[in-house]
Amino acid sequence: SAVISQKPSRDICQRGTSLTIQCQVDSQVTMMFWYRQQPGQSLTLIATANQGSEATYESGFVIDKFPISRPNLTFSTLTVSNMSPEDSSIYLCSARQTMNTEAFFGQGTRLTVV
Amino acid sequence: AQSVTQLDSQVPVFEEAPVELRCNYSSSVSVYLFWYVQYPNQGLQLLLKYLSGSTLVKGINGFEAEFNKSQTSFHLRKPSVHISDTAEYFCAVAGSNYQLIWGAGTKLIIKP
Repeated sequence: SAVISQKPSRDICQRGTSLTIQCQVDSQVTMMFWYRQQPGQSLTLIATANQGSEATYESGFVIDKFPISRPNLTFSTLTVSNMSPEDSSIYLCSARQTMNTEAFFGQGTRLTVV
Repeated sequence: AQSVTQLDSQVPVFEEAPVELRCNYSSSVSVYLFWYVQYPNQGLQLLLKYLSGSTLVKGINGFEAEFNKSQTSFHLRKPSVHISDTAEYFCAVAGSNYQLIWGAGTKLIIKP
């Protein structure tokens, strides 16, 4: 199993600013993912964080808005740039080791943009 | 392509009654299925998983699920629910590229 520490757990930010969310895994993992979850809704995949190369973004998400870093096999960051109230959401970090294992999740970052 | 359908957005049930949360999937690759629970203001926690072998899978907190290949279903059951089971439950199937494909979620509402 893997334990994921995600911080901050919550933040209130001014529109136009940026927030960087950190995700630390207690063991090396193959894949790391970033999700967005609107209140009461399911998970939407933002991107797959690739170690040593650019992240792979899903349709509707772009690097300029959500830059992602993954410098090694245990750490990743997601930045939400030039924030607007529409970015208010829960952001979740996830890690997965192989195709036939489960995904592990951080506790999430609850972001409110005012 | 893979997809997951959770047939009920909300399931209200009385405390100590049995419950079934329904999940149907489609997959063109090897089928790996998961149920997760999300308590209010928390991340997702794995309840149980089906990778291969026995079609009846037992998980944490007294939950179990049955993999039915012919009906492409993976329904979650608990014989007697407790107020602490109030949460949102998500079904997921493994997709390509290590991603999980998620259902829309089912809110389990326990009535006293």
